[in-house]
Amino acid sequence: DTEVTQTPKHLVMGMTNKKSLKCEQHMGHRAMYWYKQKAKKPPELMFVYSYEKLSINESVPSRFSPECPNSSLLNLHLHALQPEDSALYLCATSTRGKNSPLHFGNGTRLTVT
Amino acid sequence: GQQLNQSPQSMFIQEGEDVSMNCTSSSIFNTWLWYKQDPGEGPVLLIALYKAGELTSNGRLTAQFGITRKDSFLNISASIPSDVGIYFCAGQWSGGGADGLTFGKGTHLIIQP
Repeated sequence: DTEVTQTPKHLVMGMTNKKSLKCEQHMGHRAMYWYKQKAKKPPELMFVYSYEKLSINESVPSRFSPECPNSSLLNLHLHALQPEDSALYLCATSTRGKNSPLHFGNGTRLTVT
Repeated sequence: GQQLNQSPQSMFIQEGEDVSMNCTSSSIFNTWLWYKQDPGEGPVLLIALYKAGELTSNGRLTAQFGITRKDSFLNISASIPSDVGIYFCAGQWSGGGADGLTFGKGTHLIIQP
């Protein structure tokens, strides 16, 4: 079982909908990440939070809005998405600094219709 | 973004055979990681390497951190059906903060009966 929990597991939304993806961890990790993964491709970094503050935004469109309300939770708010945004969205956590591998959740499979 | 050169892209092997895959980069990394991803799940960390020249085993898996810090390999001995999946290498700089991973494109391992 993964120690990074993502909900929902699957999500289907229309292009005019607003939805949120959630990620929760209780490992005490202070770095949290959002990745996007297309089928049979490697994960692509979207955002990094360090100590609950956004530290990296990889030029992600504004229709994706991350939020880190506390050290255990990470959200990704979705609005006005496009069909090409359909993908597996992965949350990951790590300690900060050296020797800090990322630990991934099982992802949310998002389909935009 | 930047990607590592991972090879082979796919492997078709017989059960019981040994497997070898590798990653190379034009940049140096402080950490090399190997992940396995099964369908519908997030990547699972297999082995983490932190020092140039380091050779680490995890059961039937062995991985090495290249002496130049620009490459790594993963070997799987005596493959079994549950080894099927996509294997990703990943490099991490970890200069002291929280940074993401640079992933290889993955090696699809298929075991023929």
